[in-house]
Amino acid sequence: NAGVTQTPKFQVLKTGQSMTLQCAQDMNHNSMYWYRQDPGMGLRLIYYSASEGTTDKGEVPNGYNVSRLNKREFSLRLESAAPSQTSVYFCASNTGKETQYFGPGTRLLVL
Amino acid sequence: DQQVKQNSPSLSVQEGRISILNCDYTNSMFDYFLWYKKYPAEGPTFLISISSIKDKNEDGRFTVFLNKSAKHLSLHIVPSQPGDSAVYFCAASASGTYKYIFGTGTRLKVLA
Repeated sequence: NAGVTQTPKFQVLKTGQSMTLQCAQDMNHNSMYWYRQDPGMGLRLIYYSASEGTTDKGEVPNGYNVSRLNKREFSLRLESAAPSQTSVYFCASNTGKETQYFGPGTRLLVL
Repeated sequence: DQQVKQNSPSLSVQEGRISILNCDYTNSMFDYFLWYKKYPAEGPTFLISISSIKDKNEDGRFTVFLNKSAKHLSLHIVPSQPGDSAVYFCAASASGTYKYIFGTGTRLKVLA
């Protein structure tokens, strides 16, 4: 039982490059989330998926797209990376209205 | 417009003493509140939660107090231990939504 896993752990991109951050959970949770954490800003919600087949914007969705591939997997895509997207990205999941379980994070540097 | 605020970026406490971390919110629709603890290079881990129908919830050394009229919650850690040194985030959500709004975090340092 791995919980929430994220790949990659660390990535360096050049401005304009694209990449997909992967997230998977093995807890049979319905809801999945993507956050970014920046110094002094806390955790900000990018997108979430309340259930398989649905996705919704969070607080800071611009520059990102998501795919809820199946119940287990929720990916975050940066189509054209910008230095402002340098951050630590966390994926989380839960069954709905309660505690979220977080992955270990992906540290992204955009040059 | 920050709906959940943690006004103290950092806090230092002596081992064995009480740590009090504070959190204020502005949205009166929030009815569920959580505290998370985060160590460097790890994801946040759940610590304790409280529903708006309660004003206190206790779990071992950790107690969360909720003052709905003041839109304020606090996390008490007694006694504080060096292993409690971490960043603590409060988060809030409203019924009918799946979204959680996080505060900016407070870095707690427990001095041995």
